[in-house]
Amino acid sequence: NAGVTQTPKFQVLKTGQSMTLQCAQDMNHNSMYWYRQDPGMGLRLIYYSASEGTTDKGEVPNGYNVSRLNKREFSLRLESAAPSQTSVYFCASSEAEHYEAFFGQGTRLTVV
Amino acid sequence: GEDVEQSLFLSVREGDSSVINCTYTDSSSTYLYWYKQEPGAGLQLLTYIFSNMDMKQDQRLTVLLNKKDKHLSLRIADTQTGDSAIYFCAETPPFYNQGGKLIFGQGTELSVKP
Repeated sequence: NAGVTQTPKFQVLKTGQSMTLQCAQDMNHNSMYWYRQDPGMGLRLIYYSASEGTTDKGEVPNGYNVSRLNKREFSLRLESAAPSQTSVYFCASSEAEHYEAFFGQGTRLTVV
Repeated sequence: GEDVEQSLFLSVREGDSSVINCTYTDSSSTYLYWYKQEPGAGLQLLTYIFSNMDMKQDQRLTVLLNKKDKHLSLRIADTQTGDSAIYFCAETPPFYNQGGKLIFGQGTELSVKP
């Protein structure tokens, strides 16, 4: 019963490097999300995908891109990492009717 | 615009009741949620309330919704040290134009002292 799986759990990048955060869910949910969590700011939505084949910007999309590879997988890419992107990133999925979101364990990213 | 506000910290004694408060701005929100985050973990849904309800009780948890004041509260009865965590209030705009996304508050860190 995996739920939402994120990889990696920890990552350190140098400024300017790129990387992709992976997320997969096994609950057959239509909607998937990427959030970032920063102290005192709660979770802020980066991008979301209401269904396979669609993606939309959230509150803080600058510096990120996403791909909804199929119904299970939703990846987040940092093309040129900046120190301001140091954060904990959470992937989540939900089924539209109930909106309950299931979260992964998070990726702690540090950009130096 | 959508905004959810919470106080950042709450400290209680074990056995007391805890009340965590939240205010929101989007009156068209269909569901309002309380999520719990334990250290080093993701968020887990604690409970939710539909916008046409005033109260929901679930074991030690009581959710009160005041739609007029756009105020949501979570009461935890007989608070235990295992309840120490960050609690997030969240709202969701109507699905048809927002994809079911959640708008979160800043989170309230609950500290339970023995």
